[in-house]
Amino acid sequence: GAGVSQSPSNKVTEKGKDVELRCDPISGHTALYWYRQSLGQGLEFLIYFQGNSAPDKSGLPSDRFSAERTGGSVSTLTIQRTQQEDSAVYLCASSFGGQEREQFFGPGTRLTVL
Amino acid sequence: DAKTTQPNSMESNEEEPVHLPCNHSTISGTDYIHWYRQLPSQGPEYVIHGLTSNVNNRMASLAIAEDRKSSTLILHRATLRDAAVYYCILRDPNFGNEKLTFGTGTRLTIIP
Repeated sequence: GAGVSQSPSNKVTEKGKDVELRCDPISGHTALYWYRQSLGQGLEFLIYFQGNSAPDKSGLPSDRFSAERTGGSVSTLTIQRTQQEDSAVYLCASSFGGQEREQFFGPGTRLTVL
Repeated sequence: DAKTTQPNSMESNEEEPVHLPCNHSTISGTDYIHWYRQLPSQGPEYVIHGLTSNVNNRMASLAIAEDRKSSTLILHRATLRDAAVYYCILRDPNFGNEKLTFGTGTRLTIIP
């Protein structure tokens, strides 16, 4: 079966523009996660969805960041008024949920803000 | 979340076993020990997890100390494809927080 897919794979934008990043989780996975990885930095948690609700948004760095999930499937991460420090690889993962369940990661979207 | 400590980097020769250590002296009784790895230019991938007993799967083995304050990921026969950053992560099933908290991990280099 297909793994987690993300689009676009690369996105170059100008400072101040809005961007939308998309994640298609593995079919049947109820949990969905967004992380980001800045150049030379570790992986940083952003937000977690269980179904369509987001019980943990603690990692969103500012109110310019938002995410939604519809139909318990596809998720979109939106960054408004992008800044250069938003440049990073944005990774999506999905799982069946639960602390023992492994998370399956997508290939990521590399965002570059000029 | 309880903290883990790993060496920043390790090297190993191809086709030899690799032992990647992880210290977690503040582990709680309900914390599971998870390992993920990240190959170059890819997202992380799950490797193995365990609670108290040693675990084996097709990718690796996990040896857990009797006091659970440390663990070792064992790659039985390293290949060039095993060159990656390996992350040791503690997860509490009772905490209700599903996120993975990644540290800096161990960068494993395989020497041909």
